Amino acid sequence: EVQLLESGGGLVQPGGSLRLSCAASGFTFSSYAMSWVRQAPGKGLEWVSAISGSGGSTYYADSVKGRFTISRDNSKNTLYLQMNSLRAEDTAVYYCAKDRITIFGVVPPGMDVWGQGTTVTVSS
Amino acid sequence: DIQMTQSPSSLSASVGDRVTITCRASQSISSYLNWYQQKPGKAPKLLIYAASSLQSGVPSRFSGSGSGTDFTLTISSLQPEDFATYYCQQSYSTLSFTFGPGTKVDIK
Repeated sequence: EVQLLESGGGLVQPGGSLRLSCAASGFTFSSYAMSWVRQAPGKGLEWVSAISGSGGSTYYADSVKGRFTISRDNSKNTLYLQMNSLRAEDTAVYYCAKDRITIFGVVPPGMDVWGQGTTVTVSS
Repeated sequence: DIQMTQSPSSLSASVGDRVTITCRASQSISSYLNWYQQKPGKAPKLLIYAASSLQSGVPSRFSGSGSGTDFTLTISSLQPEDFATYYCQQSYSTLSFTFGPGTKVDIK
């Protein structure tokens, strides 16, 4: 069974850091691009970041560029999101998602498997 | 950045109704448009990718159409399990894979 399991969420003070992890199973992890998507309480979905299957290409929303870093360890089947300089507006449920493609820009992507989400709360 | 809008923002419908949701991009995105369904407290689910391709396992009552800037998600006969919020997402520009604001479908 294809599964994604996020961890690492919690309560952090403004300006603090947090690292989210997403453990993948049931598929060849390195063959697929991965993304992080977040949802603030009562709000819609916001794409945060994406990474190609090899990890060689990364992409970020303007709202997190320079503060968040996406990475992956294909030997451990794990996706990461390092979040620094956290702000109150970063408070959200963070989902990791598997894409149906390996690299962006060739065929249309789409996030076909999602984790259950991990909650990040930024507050003093 | 490419901006996405959806209409309506919410709608009330009955089981068996035909439901249409519209999504518009601020510039042409070819067919790089996805549709997701989200139920309360749950992760989103991919319904349609590349504007009109039905994701594996998704019932055939869901269909997507459009290209360029205007897209449509249609549910041919609304079922009780279809009451949810629907989001479009452009996957054309890697600068930002923007989601639309969502359309909530609830029971009339």
